[in-house]
Amino acid sequence: DVKVTQSSRYLVKRTGEKVFLECVQDMDHENMFWYRQDPGLGLRLIYFSYDVKMKEKGDIPEGYSVSREKKERFSLILESASTNQTSMYLCASSLMDRGKKETQYFGPGTRLLVL
Amino acid sequence: AQKVTQAQTEISVVEKEDVTLDCVYETRDTTYYLFWYKQPPSGELVFLIRRNSFDEQNEISGRYSWNFQKSTSSFNFTITASQVVDSAVYFCALSGSGNTPLVFGKGTRLSVIA
Repeated sequence: DVKVTQSSRYLVKRTGEKVFLECVQDMDHENMFWYRQDPGLGLRLIYFSYDVKMKEKGDIPEGYSVSREKKERFSLILESASTNQTSMYLCASSLMDRGKKETQYFGPGTRLLVL
Repeated sequence: AQKVTQAQTEISVVEKEDVTLDCVYETRDTTYYLFWYKQPPSGELVFLIRRNSFDEQNEISGRYSWNFQKSTSSFNFTITASQVVDSAVYFCALSGSGNTPLVFGKGTRLSVIA
């Protein structure tokens, strides 16, 4: 079974803090993704990565950065957390698409509250 | 641009009723893929099905069935004889070919009442 784990289920931080959200997958997937989920807005893509040290901006990258130093780990960084970054953050991974679309598998999510 | 519309924000049904969740998509790609995911209260998205644009055959898996119609750009999901455990948010998603991200609909919250 594919397993995607996220470092925390719940996190409370203060405005201005630097926040690290970690995601690890154990299936040697090339692709990794970070989404945020907000009521009424569905899932929105923040950043994704197709390989180690590679990153691509998604739909809403402002205020976020990412790091992919190892294939199995994809970190989302909030350089200076703000209250509008209070949200559910979901990490996903998939094999690289080769001729057919690969399925994305999701972690359990991290509920971040910024005070 | 690709777009997925799930017009039903919330649906409530009584246990054992059948329920259909609608998904309408927009894409200019000739090759594309459609997905359904389930998000139970625990939060993790669970993969249900993947369908490519060249396969219009409907699929049935137990109480779940999917109706893919290219003519109406729809990929609807039906749960037969719903159960309380089916209560969740269901997402439809679309992707083109190649290494491209998924585009998600806003989800439909299904509540099945005992």
